[in-house]
Amino acid sequence: DAKTTQPTSMDCAEGRAANLPCNHSTISGNEYVYWYRQIHSQGPQYIIHGLKNNETNEMASLIITEDRKSSTLILPHATLRDTAVYYCIVRESGGSNYKLTFGKGTLLTVNP
Amino acid sequence: DAGVIQSPRHEVTEMGQEVTLRCKPISGHNSLFWYRQTMMRGLELLIYFNNNVPIDDSGMPEDRFSAKMPNASFSTLKIQPSEPRDSAVYFCASSSEANSPLHFGNGTRLTVT
Repeated sequence: DAKTTQPTSMDCAEGRAANLPCNHSTISGNEYVYWYRQIHSQGPQYIIHGLKNNETNEMASLIITEDRKSSTLILPHATLRDTAVYYCIVRESGGSNYKLTFGKGTLLTVNP
Repeated sequence: DAGVIQSPRHEVTEMGQEVTLRCKPISGHNSLFWYRQTMMRGLELLIYFNNNVPIDDSGMPEDRFSAKMPNASFSTLKIQPSEPRDSAVYFCASSSEANSPLHFGNGTRLTVT
């Protein structure tokens, strides 16, 4: 049972920012938000994760709303190689914190 | 860093045959996961090892499936006997700790005819 809701698909123009939304209205106070992506024929790739504060790394930025009920993954300058399925995951806390439950994700298509 | 290495990359076998999938986790990682991906069910966790010990095998579909981790650098997932419905992509992943980001291999695509 995925705890997140994501759009099925999105399009983005090459060079533009890609903003991928995710709703997680039932998130608990100590559960992290994780983002992974899966490029065709490859394994899922870790992108970023966060708890409360916004996070940024070399791949992307993660913006989490103050109430933590939703978040947005931002790819600042999308390239054709960013075409992939993007998974937003709420990672369980406590004894089951090893579990990553993948939903259906968002297919992001970056167009030339 | 070579990443998580899985072999073979593709496996085609006939129903009833034994299949063994192999995984070498990232050196120093003490958590290892096996996942299965199908169009119908998406990515599902099959089994989780910590320090070579199986902790959660609740996702293993049935007794035909077994997994071992004889040492920190090697794990196998075995299906005996295989059935057509086992056709899927099987991923191995490892992490430095149980709640750290997972690093996935590129999977083994299994086809059972």
